[in-house]
Order: sequence, then C-alpha cells, then structure tokens
Amino acid sequence: EAQVTQNPRYLITVTGKKLTVTCSQNMNHEYMSWYRQDPGLGLRQIYYSMNVEVTDKGDVPEGYKVSRKEKRNFPLILESPSPNQTSLYFCASSTPTGAARGVTEAFFGQGTRLTVV
Amino acid sequence: QKEVEQDPGPLSVPEGAIVSLNCTYSNSAFQYFMWYRQYSRKGPELLMYTYSSGNKEDGRFTAQVDKSSKYISLFIRDSQPSDSATYLCAMKEDDYKLSFGAGTTVTVRA
Repeated sequence: EAQVTQNPRYLITVTGKKLTVTCSQNMNHEYMSWYRQDPGLGLRQIYYSMNVEVTDKGDVPEGYKVSRKEKRNFPLILESPSPNQTSLYFCASSTPTGAARGVTEAFFGQGTRLTVV
Repeated sequence: QKEVEQDPGPLSVPEGAIVSLNCTYSNSAFQYFMWYRQYSRKGPELLMYTYSSGNKEDGRFTAQVDKSSKYISLFIRDSQPSDSATYLCAMKEDDYKLSFGAGTTVTVRA
C-alpha cells in the first residue's frame, strides 16, 4: 500500500530535550516536505527536499532541522524544543512531473501531535 | 493580510445539497491550485488539482479558478454525510512553496 508513515503519532516532551520525528514513504518519491498545522493558521511549510541531499527552508524553519540522506526518509529534528513548537506536524511527498508537476504535496502522513511543556 | 484567505465556517448543509467553498488570494503569480479534504485526526487528502484558470470536474466535485478575480471555488454536488470534513485550498507558483488557506469545516446533516 502506498503510504507516508510518520512516527511517533503522539509525543509529549519537555523544553530543551532534543527529539526527532521520522517520516518514510514507500513510493520512491523525489519530493518530501514538512508542515505544521495550528488552529486559525492552517498548514505552514517548515522545510522541503527536492531529492537526496537537497533541502530548503519553507516559511517557518526556525527551530527545526532536516536531513535527506536516503530517498525514502526525511526526519524532522527539534534540537531544543520550546512550547511554541507545540503543534500538529505533517510530512508529505510526491513526484511532481508531467501534467501533475505542480502537485508537490500529493500524499500526506497521518500526523504527529507534539506537545512541549 | 494572509496570502490565501478562506472562510473557516463552519458550514452545515442537509444531505443532497450543493456545498460551495471558496478562497481568495493576493499573489498573482500563483499558477497551481489544489483542494484537499481532511477528516478529523487524519492527514490531508488531495481532492482536485488545477493548473491556471478554468474548470475541472471529477465525479461530484467541481473546481473553478478565476485568476482575473484571484478567486477559486470547490463545489460538491449531492453532498453526503461522508463529505463532512475540513476542506483546505492551496496554491503555488512554479516552485516548491505551497500556501494553504486555513480550511473550512463542513458538516453534511443526514
């Protein structure tokens, strides 16, 4: 089954304790991205990756890091989490080519609800 | 002012009604327009994708883009209770940065 898998689904952590949210896709997609979703603000892009070893900042990259060492995986790293990073996080992927070249977010994961206390 | 404006609703309609959703935007360089459906506690699901202006139909769903007015719409015909969800519009230039609306919550009453 084609899917984007995020882990963990729920996480409660304390301020300053480094954490990693994993994202893996099984569709051989070149493009992957991370979003956070907050009430009233919608989805905001954190980072995206066009392919292995190629990443770039989205609209809200402060406080986050990413890496893309393998095509299928795109982990999101919070080196020193703070309460304002409490949010619902989504990973997405696609292969934006041909008639669907504008569709960079074709498949989303189930989400990771992060609470930083 | 946000780049993409979407009325959050909530919108409540009886089963069988036409649901009309819309978004306005300020960036005239947007070329690609998408609608996503998001059920509670789930990730967004791509519903419709349109390049530039015009209409696109897929079953009970119709997407319209009016670039001259910077206005996009999604219509759901013969709405069903299973259509109850939050609908998100999204749009982008010819790059990798996607801008989302805040989402409209729709409830279809049986």
